[in-house]
Amino acid sequence: NAGVTQTPKFRILKIGQSMTLQCTQDMNHNYMYWYRQDPGMGLKLIYYSVGAGITDKGEVPNGYNVSRSTTEDFPLRLELAAPSQTSVYFCASNPPGNYNSPLHFGNGTRLTVT
Amino acid sequence: AQTVTQSQPEMSVQEAETVTLSCTYDTSESDYYLFWYKQPPSRQMILVIRQEAYKQQNATENRFSVNFQKAAKSFSLKISDSQLGDAAMYFCAYRTAGGRDDKIIFGKGTRLHILP
Repeated sequence: NAGVTQTPKFRILKIGQSMTLQCTQDMNHNYMYWYRQDPGMGLKLIYYSVGAGITDKGEVPNGYNVSRSTTEDFPLRLELAAPSQTSVYFCASNPPGNYNSPLHFGNGTRLTVT
Repeated sequence: AQTVTQSQPEMSVQEAETVTLSCTYDTSESDYYLFWYKQPPSRQMILVIRQEAYKQQNATENRFSVNFQKAAKSFSLKISDSQLGDAAMYFCAYRTAGGRDDKIIFGKGTRLHILP
């Protein structure tokens, strides 16, 4: 049981480049989330999804896009990378119906934009 | 919009002593869930304790307990008999009780140092 898998683990981008951070989970969780964590700071919600075909903006969605075509996958797209997007990105998931259950986190992607 | 505030960026406690981390939140909802997560240097997020807003009894998990004051919108974490392994970032989190608007919002965190 792999849980939540994020790829890549590390990436360096030049300003203006684009990339997709991949996130997949094998637990049949409906709820999925993307967070960014700047150094020494908390997690800020970028986008979230309560099921396939449904996505919503979180606290800091500007500069990002997401899609949710399947229950398993929730990729995060950066179209025009900027230095302000240098951060560690975490994907997380949660099963449906049990709002008290802990989030299942991936191991994170460390992104540097130079 | 819901917000979570942790007013203590850093705290230190002597090993074996007790420490309390503060968390306040703002919401207009009556039904929600609150969590404390621990993040060691490995960056892994570990659930420490959770509380349903409809329960008046404060949650406890071994050395960890909370003081949940719903009217004051306060959710503090008490760590008793602090151990070196408790050193980490601690995040308070708020979750709405389902539906389309199922966001989980985190505070900025408190870095806890354990002094031997």
